[in-house]
Amino acid sequence: GAVVSQHPSWVICKSGTSVKIECRSLDFQATTMFWYRQFPKQSLMLMATSNEGSKATYEQGVEKDKFLINHASLTLSTLTVTSAHPEDSSFYICSASELGKMANEQYFGPGTRLTVT
Amino acid sequence: GESVGLHLPTLSVQEGDNSIINCAYSNSASDYFIWYKQESGKGPQFIIDIRSNMDKRQGQRVTVLLNKTVKHLSLQIAATQPGDSAVYFCAERRYQAGTALIFGKGTTLSVSS
Repeated sequence: GAVVSQHPSWVICKSGTSVKIECRSLDFQATTMFWYRQFPKQSLMLMATSNEGSKATYEQGVEKDKFLINHASLTLSTLTVTSAHPEDSSFYICSASELGKMANEQYFGPGTRLTVT
Repeated sequence: GESVGLHLPTLSVQEGDNSIINCAYSNSASDYFIWYKQESGKGPQFIIDIRSNMDKRQGQRVTVLLNKTVKHLSLQIAATQPGDSAVYFCAERRYQAGTALIFGKGTTLSVSS
């Protein structure tokens, strides 16, 4: 149980285009989903926290207009990287907290590798 | 005096040895800590957690120690195996800030047989 999937697992896009990454909780309902980015050989950096049905809370320094987060249902959150640039190339990872369970438990997705050319 | 384990970005051990990975956390108000294992190209995998009202917790082949005085966390892996090779991260939960986790610097563990 408690499986989180991400789609796509990798994507290559051209500079200036937008890319959408999906994060799904497959066998549970997620009250909260988190988005992280990870540069090579670095740690995970929290980008934003999203609660179903409400606006995401972005971390300091993360542009909300560039990284659009939608959490329209208890099983799906999407991250859209708008007008992508090469410096947005990174590994994007989502996690989800299960509805009704202790908020401590977060389940991570397998990540999405974004390469902007 | 008590020594504080230094964070090392890499750790190389022989199969069968015990490994100790250290982490310093930033917020004295953090109340919950987790160790994750991350293999190349994959998301983090939960290993073990500990609450701030504890100083030690044991799992299967792993032990986490928490020293709140010096804000230090360690992960001990017994009888390290080649399959343990990965990057290990500690994460702290920001107290009264929801459930967001703040990750520390990782340590790359390499196990040679």
